[in-house]
Amino acid sequence: KNEVEQSPQNLTAQEGEFITINCSYSVGISALHWLQQHPGGGIVSLFMLSSGKKKHGRLIATINIQEKHSSLHITASHPRDSAVYICAAATGNQFYFGTGTSLTVIP
Amino acid sequence: DVKVTQSSRYLVKRTGEKVFLECVQDMDHENMFWYRQDPGLGLRLIYFSYDVKMKEKGDIPEGYSVSREKKERFSLILESASTNQTSMYLCASTTPGWEGRNEQFFGPGTRLTVL
Repeated sequence: KNEVEQSPQNLTAQEGEFITINCSYSVGISALHWLQQHPGGGIVSLFMLSSGKKKHGRLIATINIQEKHSSLHITASHPRDSAVYICAAATGNQFYFGTGTSLTVIP
Repeated sequence: DVKVTQSSRYLVKRTGEKVFLECVQDMDHENMFWYRQDPGLGLRLIYFSYDVKMKEKGDIPEGYSVSREKKERFSLILESASTNQTSMYLCASTTPGWEGRNEQFFGPGTRLTVL
């Protein structure tokens, strides 16, 4: 049983498309994190949110606490957005990680 | 900028060897973590440490041990490496008061292959 489920697992988009990655979780959370992992392994934190919506440039993250669901949106996608996006639900001193969504943006 | 470094990007070892993976962070973080990442399974917590000489088991501690003698350094030890420990190993650190509300800073990862 996975506490965090992401969809889709793989996503291919044309440059410029609007992209949505979904994350559903089953645990009570203190925060929901979105992470980005480029080929080669390094992971960076994109967002941490516990309610509402956050925006950084072309990236937008939303969360619905009642529905236990979060989405990551990328507007005007670009090939440099190609990466694995990971959702992580934080509860107490534990992180529950999704298995990631592999995004490829084609020029 | 917080920097988390790991001693090797790629490592190849033989079954039965003792393996040390080192992680160093330069921002005085109390909390440090070791994860392994496998395709289809995502990140899984091996051990974490919230202070010098303190450690807590994560979800998959079997076959691993850790050492935290200095605040900036957290070592993962495979006492006798096995082929099922072939994986990507990621270290992370975060600031105190951590209850999931603080950003985790990750190292670049060590891809370990056990032959």
